[in-house]
Amino acid sequence: TQLLEQSPQFLSIQEGENLTVYCNSSSVFSSLQWYRQEPGEGPVLLVTVVTGGEVKKLKRLTFQFGDARKDSSLHITAAQPGDTGLYLCAGALYSGGGADGLTFGKGTHLIIQP
Amino acid sequence: DAGVIQSPRHEVTEMGQEVTLRCKPISGHDYLFWYRQTMMRGLELLIYFNNNVPIDDSGMPEDRFSAKMPNASFSTLKIQPSEPRDSAVYFCASSPDHYGYTFGSGTRLTVV
Repeated sequence: TQLLEQSPQFLSIQEGENLTVYCNSSSVFSSLQWYRQEPGEGPVLLVTVVTGGEVKKLKRLTFQFGDARKDSSLHITAAQPGDTGLYLCAGALYSGGGADGLTFGKGTHLIIQP
Repeated sequence: DAGVIQSPRHEVTEMGQEVTLRCKPISGHDYLFWYRQTMMRGLELLIYFNNNVPIDDSGMPEDRFSAKMPNASFSTLKIQPSEPRDSAVYFCASSPDHYGYTFGSGTRLTVV
């Protein structure tokens, strides 16, 4: 059973369209991060959200952390071919005794067609 | 800073051979993580270190896998003996805390 479920698994849309991808869990996270990974490279951190209900914007990308800190969404406005990649969400289950390793979802493969 | 440096980038080995993957974290980052990525299972945490001390190795698949961090600037992940099912991309990541990881470019391991 995957702790973090991401949907959709695959998404192919035209340049200029808007899209939303989701990251859901039954567990509560102390923080949640979004990464983007390109072929042949490691994931690159986009944003960290730590407060329930928090919304962060990064240019055309809007990230939201659910009120209960169990889910998150990533919305892209006016998608561009450069947005193509694997989008991963990752949650930290804070044990109280220090950092825990992040648990990753399997990701959303996003293709933006020119 | 050059980021997290992993070597080699690609490794092809025969079943039964020993494989050693290497990682140099970002200077000043107290946490080091080893992950494995496959299409079927995604990114899986294998082990992580805090100040060179292994904290959680519950993700290490079996005794064939071992990891060390002899100092703050170097870590190894060793597989002995290797098996075809170990084929995957292995990532090392470092972090100053648990809020943001910097990943290396990974080592693509193929065991034939």
